[in-house]
Amino acid sequence: GQQVMQIPQYQHVQEGEDFTTYCNSSTTLSNIQWYKQRPGGHPVFLIQLVKSGEVKKQKRLTFQFGEAKKNSSLHITATQTTDVGTYFCARSPDSGGYQKVTFGTGTKLQVIP
Amino acid sequence: DGGITQSPKYLFRKEGQNVTLSCEQNLNHDAMYWYRQDPGQGLRLIYYSQIVNDFQKGDIAEGYSVSREKKESFPLTVTSAQKNPTAFYLCASSIGRGVFFGPGTRLTVL
Repeated sequence: GQQVMQIPQYQHVQEGEDFTTYCNSSTTLSNIQWYKQRPGGHPVFLIQLVKSGEVKKQKRLTFQFGEAKKNSSLHITATQTTDVGTYFCARSPDSGGYQKVTFGTGTKLQVIP
Repeated sequence: DGGITQSPKYLFRKEGQNVTLSCEQNLNHDAMYWYRQDPGQGLRLIYYSQIVNDFQKGDIAEGYSVSREKKESFPLTVTSAQKNPTAFYLCASSIGRGVFFGPGTRLTVL
C-alpha cells in the first residue's frame, strides 16, 4: 500500500527544547492524522488535518499540513517529560469514510530531564 | 479508548495452535480494524471492516482470519499458518475521523 515516511526515527531532546517530526508522502494526501503512543500503551488519536496549508494547535503542539498536501509536521514547543512516546502520522484514502488507515513508521521521542 | 475492550492483556500459546483475540466496542462505530505492532516498529494493518458481515484484507493478512457478525465485535484468529505470530495486537474502531484503539493484547507463541 501507499506509505508515509516519517523522520527522524528517533529523537533525544533536553527537557525544554523543541521537537519536530515530519511525515512525507510521494502522493497527494486527502488527509493526515497524528497519534501519540506512550511506552507500553496504545496509540491515541490527536488530530486530523484536511485542508492544504492547514495549521492547528493543541497547547504546546502545532500541526501543519503542507500546501501540496504531500507532507505534514508535528512541532512540540518546550518539551516536557510527559511528551515521551512515539508519534505516528497516518493517512486514509478519504477524509470522511471508513477506509483503510495506513500508519507511518513513527518517531520515538525521548526527553532528558 | 474507554469504549474498546480487548482481552486478555497477555496471552501465551504453543506453536501450532490457533488463537482468537477478542475485540468489543460500545462506541457504535461502523468501522473496525486490527493492527499488529512488533517491538520498536510501526503499525501494520491486518484486516479491517467497514460494516457488519463485510471485511477486507490489510497489508499483512496472511495467516490471520476475522469475522464481523455483530457491529460491536471483531475477533481476530491467529492461525498456525502465521509464521511469526508473537506481537502486540491492537484493535481499533472509527466513525470516519480518527481511529480509536483498544488497550491491545500481547501475544507470545512459545
